[in-house]
Amino acid sequence: AQKVTQAQTEISVVEKEDVTLDCVYETRDTTYYLFWYKQPPSGELVFLIRRNSFDEQNEISGRYSWNFQKSTSSFNFTITASQVVDSAVYFCALSVRGPGGSYIPTFGRGTSLIVHP
Amino acid sequence: NAGVTQTPKFRILKIGQSMTLQCAQDMNHNYMYWYRQDPGMGLKLIYYSVGAGITDKGEVPNGYNVSRSTTEDFPLRLELAAPSQTSVYFCASSYSIATGDGNQPQHFGDGTRLSIL
Repeated sequence: AQKVTQAQTEISVVEKEDVTLDCVYETRDTTYYLFWYKQPPSGELVFLIRRNSFDEQNEISGRYSWNFQKSTSSFNFTITASQVVDSAVYFCALSVRGPGGSYIPTFGRGTSLIVHP
Repeated sequence: NAGVTQTPKFRILKIGQSMTLQCAQDMNHNYMYWYRQDPGMGLKLIYYSVGAGITDKGEVPNGYNVSRSTTEDFPLRLELAAPSQTSVYFCASSYSIATGDGNQPQHFGDGTRLSIL
């Protein structure tokens, strides 16, 4: 069975601090996909990044960076110089192929990030 | 670009009533999904579909039914509403293929907030 653990339920920081959101996943599959989504207070879910299991290259996009380490089954997300607009719930998700060949996603419980001015 | 459209946005039902949550996408995605989001619990997969005429159960299918007669539409039916079905429901779609780098990210609708009293 697949599992995604986001151990941090809520993180509170002051603007301009750096913050890392942890994501640990479990799967026996060798081919899988990892995602991060953002859910701002308005409620919609917005895709941030996707990684497949064969691509361990870290990625930086502006103030956002992602660290994918297969050795520790982690896909952590760092926001540098946080801003109030980063306040949201962030979800990590894992997708693997089920018995019928379909991709089945599993979401973590989310981490609520609060950035204070 | 409409993307994924969910209707209605809000609804209050009485126990035992039935209703259909509508979901439509205009991106020609083959996969469609229904999730429910309860506070602090992340997203739980209710049903998913990999193409017209094909549906399958997710993690929490009890009390719900779906159909997929077209690529664009994926309605979710609640037959006998129960208080435990009070939640925010999200529909999503994605494009995934069996070969190569196949599992693309999901696009989400804005959600339907459903209360059952």
